[in-house]
Amino acid sequence: SAVISQKPSRDICQRGTSLTIQCQVDSQVTMMFWYRQQPGQSLTLIATANQGSEATYESGFVIDKFPISRPNLTFSTLTVSNMSPEDSSIYLCSVDRGDSYEQYFGPGTRLTVT
Amino acid sequence: AQKVTQAQTEISVVEKEDVTLDCVYETRDTTYYLFWYKQPPSGELVFLIRRNSFDEQNEISGRYSWNFQKSTSSFNFTITASQVVDSAVYFCALTQTGANNLFFGTGTRLTVIP
Repeated sequence: SAVISQKPSRDICQRGTSLTIQCQVDSQVTMMFWYRQQPGQSLTLIATANQGSEATYESGFVIDKFPISRPNLTFSTLTVSNMSPEDSSIYLCSVDRGDSYEQYFGPGTRLTVT
Repeated sequence: AQKVTQAQTEISVVEKEDVTLDCVYETRDTTYYLFWYKQPPSGELVFLIRRNSFDEQNEISGRYSWNFQKSTSSFNFTITASQVVDSAVYFCALTQTGANNLFFGTGTRLTVIP
C-alpha cells in the first residue's frame, strides 16, 4: 500500500474564496486522482493527474473551477476556486499502484463553505 | 457504461450477527475489477479487496468473505460475527481494465449495535 497525506484535513472557507488542497505520497506513483464526496453521497471522480501533463477532467468538472498541479511523482494539488456552499464536500486524493488496479486513498479534506 | 448499485442504504445489526452487503454492477467490458472499501467515521477510505472478472473464486479473510457471481453480476460482502468496529459506510466499486478511475456505488451504512 501507499502512505498518503493531505493538507489541510479540514477547513471552513467563505464563499468566493479559493482553497488549495495538497496531496503527498510516500512513493513515486504515475497516476493520482482527485475525488469529491458530497455530504452523505458517494465518491465522484473529479480528474486524473499524471506528472508532466495536463489533468484529465471528468464530465461536469472544469479546469477553471478545479485547477490541478502535478509537479512531480509524489505530489499534487487541487484548488477549489471561487467557492460556493455547494462545494462543501470531502475531497480525497488517491493513487494507483500501477498494474494492480488497487487505489489507495488519502484521509480526505473536509471543506465547509459558508 | 459502468454502474454500481448498492440497494441497501442502511443496515443495523446486533453485535455478533452476520451481515451481508449487496453489490450489483453493470458493465459492457469483459475484463474489469471489483472492489470493496470501508469508510469509518473518520472519513478515510480503507481498501478491503480487489477481484478481477476472471476470478470467480470466493474469498475469505478473517471475518470477511466475498461472493462474486458473474451470472448475476453481483459481488456481495459478508461480515461474520459483526463487531462494533465494523460500523462504517461500505462502498463497492468497479473499474475496467485499461482505465483507472473507480465507479463507486452509493454505499451502505452499517451500524453494529453492542
